[in-house]
Amino acid sequence: RKEVEQDPGPFNVPEGATVAFNCTYSNSASQSFFWYRQDCRKEPKLLMSVYSSGNEDGRFTAQLNRASQYISLLIRDSKLSDSATYLCVVTNNQAGTALIFGKGTTLSVSS
Amino acid sequence: DGGITQSPKYLFRKEGQNVTLSCEQNLNHDAMYWYRQDPGQGLRLIYYSQIVNDFQKGDIAEGYSVSREKKESFPLTVTSAQKNPTAFYLCASGDRVNYGYTFGSGTRLTVV
Repeated sequence: RKEVEQDPGPFNVPEGATVAFNCTYSNSASQSFFWYRQDCRKEPKLLMSVYSSGNEDGRFTAQLNRASQYISLLIRDSKLSDSATYLCVVTNNQAGTALIFGKGTTLSVSS
Repeated sequence: DGGITQSPKYLFRKEGQNVTLSCEQNLNHDAMYWYRQDPGQGLRLIYYSQIVNDFQKGDIAEGYSVSREKKESFPLTVTSAQKNPTAFYLCASGDRVNYGYTFGSGTRLTVV
């Protein structure tokens, strides 16, 4: 089983739609969780951290379910500019470890 | 402005050549990382360094080498032993892993 698994998509949605991405992770010792956004042929950029209590940043909401080892990202009122690949990322916070990236879910928002 | 700079943006390598990719950061981060990304694939960890003069192999270190002589710099050498080096190489730095990383803009390496 891969450490971080995501549905690759693509998700094709119209402007204004609500779309949800899911991610599962295999290491129960994982402690920190993130969503990164990567535009075509660009570097990944941190979109938001994911907390156990869930967190929201404007149109974006991230949820974590530790028991199910599951992370989600909800995008409301999709914009054309949201078109990108969304990477699910986890780490166990131990010294000497690094972030582990999923392969990403591609979103295409059309007018 | 603080940031992380990778150069060159594009690099072409002949078969059998070693090439070195530059990564410099002025964010005062202790930790630096090198990842490789292939089309349709996630980021795979090559090497990382938590502190100056120390570094560890990641998941795909074979055919690569690094050095960390200065806090600001973490160059990656792609050696002739790396059989399939064509990829997008990303350097990142971070204060603490649970804060996430900042990435450079990447180097696209192509073997010709």
